[in-house]
Amino acid sequence: AQSVTQLDSHVSVSEGTPVLLRCNYSSSYSPSLFWYVQHPNKGLQLLLKYTSAATLVKGINGFEAEFKKSETSFHLTKPSAHMSDAAEYFCVVSDPSSNTGKLIFGQGTTLQVKP
Amino acid sequence: IAGITQAPTSQILAAGRRMTLRCTQDMRHNAMYWYRQDLGLGLRLIHYSNTAGTTGKGEVPDGYSVSRANTDDFPLTLASAVPSQTSVYFCASSAVTNRGTGELFFGEGSRLTVL
Repeated sequence: AQSVTQLDSHVSVSEGTPVLLRCNYSSSYSPSLFWYVQHPNKGLQLLLKYTSAATLVKGINGFEAEFKKSETSFHLTKPSAHMSDAAEYFCVVSDPSSNTGKLIFGQGTTLQVKP
Repeated sequence: IAGITQAPTSQILAAGRRMTLRCTQDMRHNAMYWYRQDLGLGLRLIHYSNTAGTTGKGEVPDGYSVSRANTDDFPLTLASAVPSQTSVYFCASSAVTNRGTGELFFGEGSRLTVL
């Protein structure tokens, strides 16, 4: 069975400092992994995805994530936070062998960016 | 480019009433999904459809039904609404191939309050 755990429900950083949002997954197969962002009262938008190519994945808005199979992790990072990064972030896992196309969402991490 | 359109954006209804949330996509994606988002629980899959004419149950299907008469439309119906169905509902679509699920595209959500 697949699962995903976001280790922090809330992260607070100062503008201009690095961001780290942690995600661990459990999967019986080589998974596809995604990070989505949700701004207040909006739908979810894809930040980046890992699909068994390069382990370091670059996404939009300066975010990147590294797939570490030995640690079953897919942490999201950004070198310098911007006020507009304040949002809810979801780590998501998909089973590539599944024909149902279902994704499993983490419970989300709220990122607060202080001026 | 519209992407995913959901209607209504917000609705208050009395318990016991029937309600249909509409979802239309213009990307010709084969797969469509309905999620509900609740504080502290992240997104949970209600129903999904891998192609027109087929549907499947997600994590929390009870009290909900869906239909997929064509590629573009995927309505979600609450036959007799209950207060526990108060939530924000997101419709999503994706292109599912033999390599698994691609990026999910989300609508902006329908906020439903059942009194």
